Amino acid sequence: AQSVTQLGSHLSVSEGALVLLRCNYSSSVPPYLFWYVQYPNQGLQLLLKYTTGATLVKGINGFEAEFKKSETSFHLTKPSAHMSDAAEYFCAVRGYGNNRLAFGKGNQVVVIP
Amino acid sequence: DGGITQSPKYLFRKEGQNVTLSCEQNLNHDAMYWYRQDPGQGLRLIYYSQIVNDFQKGDIAEGYSVSREKKESFPLTVTSAQKNPTAFYLCASSTLTGQGKDTEAFFGQGTRLTVV
Repeated sequence: AQSVTQLGSHLSVSEGALVLLRCNYSSSVPPYLFWYVQYPNQGLQLLLKYTTGATLVKGINGFEAEFKKSETSFHLTKPSAHMSDAAEYFCAVRGYGNNRLAFGKGNQVVVIP
Repeated sequence: DGGITQSPKYLFRKEGQNVTLSCEQNLNHDAMYWYRQDPGQGLRLIYYSQIVNDFQKGDIAEGYSVSREKKESFPLTVTSAQKNPTAFYLCASSTLTGQGKDTEAFFGQGTRLTVV
């Protein structure tokens, strides 16, 4: 079975400051890892994903994440926050050979002007 | 354009009534999912299906039912047995792992169900 831990439900960040959202996972098989973003009353949109290969993954809107197997982590970062980054962010894991997708509880990001 | 369509966007239900949420995809995906979203609880899996005429319970299946008669469609029925049905419901689809490069789930825009 897979599971995801996202610590802290809310994050306030100043415009132009670093955004860092932490994600730790557990999986008994090689994982596929994802970060999604959700704007109010909308579905989830994929930010980036890790499947195999390069462990530093770049996504849309200037976000990137690094897969660290030794730490079972997949933290999301963006060097400089923009007002449009205010949203909820979800980390998710899917084990190879397992079609079930497990999500963390999400982080609500507020950007302060 | 390919994608997932959920309807309706907003739904009101009286207590004691069953209601069905629609989910259709034209992405030719084998797997489809239903999630429930409540504030602070993330996405919780209700049911998922990997093939037509087959589906598995997720973590919170009680009070819900599904069918998968066609590959494109995976409707969710919220029954009167669901004690607290007011929530945001999200449908998703994906390829099966090991097939193709698209391993992520694609989501619909959601249905907000309110019991009145």
